[in-house]
Amino acid sequence: NAGVTQTPKFQVLKTGQSMTLQCAQDMNHNSMYWYRQDPGMGLRLIYYSASEGTTDKGEVPNGYNVSRLNKREFSLRLESAAPSQTSVYFCASSVGWKNTEAFFGQGTRLTVV
Amino acid sequence: AQSVTQLGSHVSVSEGALVLLRCNYSSSVPPYLFWYVQYPNQGLQLLLKYTSAATLVKGINGFEAEFKKSETSFHLTKPSAHMSDAAEYFCAVSEGGNTPLVFGKGTRLSVIA
Repeated sequence: NAGVTQTPKFQVLKTGQSMTLQCAQDMNHNSMYWYRQDPGMGLRLIYYSASEGTTDKGEVPNGYNVSRLNKREFSLRLESAAPSQTSVYFCASSVGWKNTEAFFGQGTRLTVV
Repeated sequence: AQSVTQLGSHVSVSEGALVLLRCNYSSSVPPYLFWYVQYPNQGLQLLLKYTSAATLVKGINGFEAEFKKSETSFHLTKPSAHMSDAAEYFCAVSEGGNTPLVFGKGTRLSVIA
């Protein structure tokens, strides 16, 4: 099983450019999440989708938008990238009801210059 | 709202010594608690989870954690450290249902030969 697949793995953007990070899961999970990881900050939730058709803001949503395209896919968009968005981004998914164990992708390392 | 505090951003132990990584949580309802491990340049992998069954939870790679409600703690232990245990460890809490995981800031474990 592939689990949670993120693309791309690495990306360098110039300030002001836009891009979309893609995430897909093949575990038939209801809930999907986007986190960012920064040194000394742990993982902070950007947005999540509790079920297909719904999205909610997490702790650090500013500068990001998301789309839950279908049950499998959950994308994260940076409309106008800023150096502060340099980070490692992780997508995760979970069954979403009672069992909240999350499965993570391998991450996208984004640098904004 | 739920929260997690991991005491010590960096812990260093000798090979063969006891590993103790500390985690305290805050939750308004009986929580689900998790420990994840992250090896360099990889995503997060579940070590173990507490979901209100046994208070002593055994995980992969010889790790275990004990849920202590009176102390609001969920410390991670391993009797004998191995070089391969060097990684970053994250404690996480969820209040169940569709609420997303909230992570601590992480503890980096170094193992000295």
